Parts: sequence; structure tokens; C-alpha cells
Amino acid sequence: GESVGLHLPTLSVQEGDNSIINCAYSNSASDYFIWYKQESGKGPQFIIDIRSNMDKRQGQRVTVLLNKTVKHLSLQIAATQPGDSAVYFCAENRNYGQNFVFGPGTRLSVLP
Amino acid sequence: NAGVMQNPRHLVRRRGQEARLRCSPMKGHSHVYWYRQLPEEGLKFMVYLQKENIIDESGMPKERFSAEFPKEGPSILRIQQVVRGDSAAYFCASSRDRGPDQPQHFGDGTRLSIL
Repeated sequence: GESVGLHLPTLSVQEGDNSIINCAYSNSASDYFIWYKQESGKGPQFIIDIRSNMDKRQGQRVTVLLNKTVKHLSLQIAATQPGDSAVYFCAENRNYGQNFVFGPGTRLSVLP
Repeated sequence: NAGVMQNPRHLVRRRGQEARLRCSPMKGHSHVYWYRQLPEEGLKFMVYLQKENIIDESGMPKERFSAEFPKEGPSILRIQQVVRGDSAAYFCASSRDRGPDQPQHFGDGTRLSIL
């Protein structure tokens, strides 16, 4: 069935290195995507979004890449910091914004 | 704090009791969404409401669960006759408008534990 999923359930990186978190989606009709960060005991926090008419968008230390050909989304975090340790979810928007479909999440651990 | 406010943060109920979860959206937001999250899993959509209207409840269980968003006051997610399987974190999100590029902003959730 249709789903949003992640290639890597866990990711460990050294502090200062770049992190890349991947997400696959199967609904070619999806037109809006968001990356969320969720820290323990908290709600998902908006990081960055991208529309389907774009293939790249940059924020502060983060970049989202969208490859519609292979239905792949990635989140790049530059110079990863201890505060980046969290679970990261990609979310796919369907049905004209009525709800998001979340992937299972990737846990990012930043090693000192 | 202008963010989405949920209360209580933690709620403990015995099997058969009722659970009421409250959500106040961000200021200026009239669209509210409820999601459920099991440990180590992603969020699952439950229901989408706009003031006084249920727009999409396709993710809501057919029995025991209901939601409302009255003209005045917070949105309420109500679970009647709770069972152990209802134990989860329930998150509320809000957005200013409806549309394909409207980010949803989340509260910190209510952790529901059923004894």
C-alpha cells in the first residue's frame, strides 16, 4: 500500500560531521513534505518543508532534497551538534492538506 | 507561550473510565488535527477539525473515540471506556489555513496510560 518510510532506522554521527537522513515515499500524488524533529517527551518540531515543484530547499544548517523520479526525500544537517540528537520524521501531505502521513522515524545520535 | 497547548501532559486511567484530552491551537489557527503515537513509531492521523466541524475523521476508531472543536474553548479528544490498547501519546497540531503547503505545528502531547 501507500506509505512513507525511511531507509535507516538509526544513525550515529560524530559531532561536527554532516548527517543525511533519508525517506522514501510511494504516493506520486503527494505534493508537500515536511521534516520534523522530535525530542524525548516533546511533540514534533517543524524543521523544514518543501513543495513538489522544488528539488532543493535550504534552511539554517539544514537542506532538504526531493527526488520525485525515485520518490526520495532527504534531510541534510551540516556540522551536526549534540542538540541535533532526536528522532526525525518525514511527513507527506495528501488529500489537499487534510492530514500528513508520517514515516516511522530515524533516531539520530550525535557522538562526542 | 504562543504554541499549541495540550493538557494534561500525563493522564492515567483505569480500564473502563473516560479520558478527555484538551488542545488549544496556536493563536490565529482555526484548523486542528489529532494524531496518536505508539512508542518507537511514527504519528498516525486520527481526525481533522475546523471550528465546530469535523472535516476528516478517517483515522478515528469507529467506537469509543470522539472529537470536537467548539466555537469557544479548546478542542477535545474523548475516549470512552478506555482499554489497555489506548495507551499512547496523543498529539494535537494546528494550522492557520487548509491547503497543501500549510505546516502543522504540534503541541507536546498527552501521554495516556491505562492501568
